[in-house]
Amino acid sequence: KNQVEQSPQSLIILEGKNCTLQCNYTVSPFSNLRWYKQDTGRGPVSLTIMTFSENTKSNGRYTATLDADTKQSSLHITASQLSDSASYICVVRELSNFGNEKLTFGTGTRLTIIP
Amino acid sequence: EAQVTQNPRYLITVTGKKLTVTCSQNMNHEYMSWYRQDPGLGLRQIYYSMNVEVTDKGDVPEGYKVSRKEKRNFPLILESPSPNQTSLYFCASTFRQGAYEQYFGPGTRLTVT
Repeated sequence: KNQVEQSPQSLIILEGKNCTLQCNYTVSPFSNLRWYKQDTGRGPVSLTIMTFSENTKSNGRYTATLDADTKQSSLHITASQLSDSASYICVVRELSNFGNEKLTFGTGTRLTIIP
Repeated sequence: EAQVTQNPRYLITVTGKKLTVTCSQNMNHEYMSWYRQDPGLGLRQIYYSMNVEVTDKGDVPEGYKVSRKEKRNFPLILESPSPNQTSLYFCASTFRQGAYEQYFGPGTRLTVT
C-alpha cells in the first residue's frame, strides 16, 4: 500500500529561525513529489513540484530536496516568519500513463511560529 | 484571477436531506477532483473527472455522486447525507495529469446532524 509519512507531526519555533520538515514515502512507481502549505480552514497551496531527476528546488525561503533512491524528501524553511504558521503537506504522485491522477497525501506537519 | 470557487463555504444539514456543493474553475483545466479532509487523515479523493462527461471513483466514493456537464463545473452531490460525511471538502483542478500544479478551492465545511 502506498504511504506518505511526515515528521514531526507538529513543530514550534521562534520567528527568524530555520526549520526542516521530513517526508518519507513508499509510493511506487514514482512520478513526482509536491509540497503544499495549508493555512487553517483554507485550501492547500502548492509550494514546489519535484520530478525524479530534481534533487533540489527553491521557492523563495522554501527549499525542497528529494532523494528518490531512499524515497525521502525534506522542506527547509529559512528565516521563518509568523505567516509561515500553517500545515505543510507532502504529496506523492504515482506514475501512470492514463487514468486517475493517483496522489497519496501525508497527514502534514503543523508548524507554529512564535514571536 | 485564476481560481477555484466552492459554494457554500459552510453548511449544516440533517441526515437524509439531499445537498449539492458546487465547484467551478476559470482556468480551462481538464482534470478536476473532490477530496475530503478529516482530522488525523490525509486528504482522500472522493471522485475525479478527466474531462467533460468523464468521471470515476476515487478512494472513498460511497455516498457521493458527481457530474461534469461543462468543463468549468464539477458539483458534488450527497443524495442522502449521513453523520459520517461530516468533513471538510475540497475541490481541486489541474491542467491535466502530470507534473502540473493543482489548484484547490477554499473548502466547504459540512456538518450532518
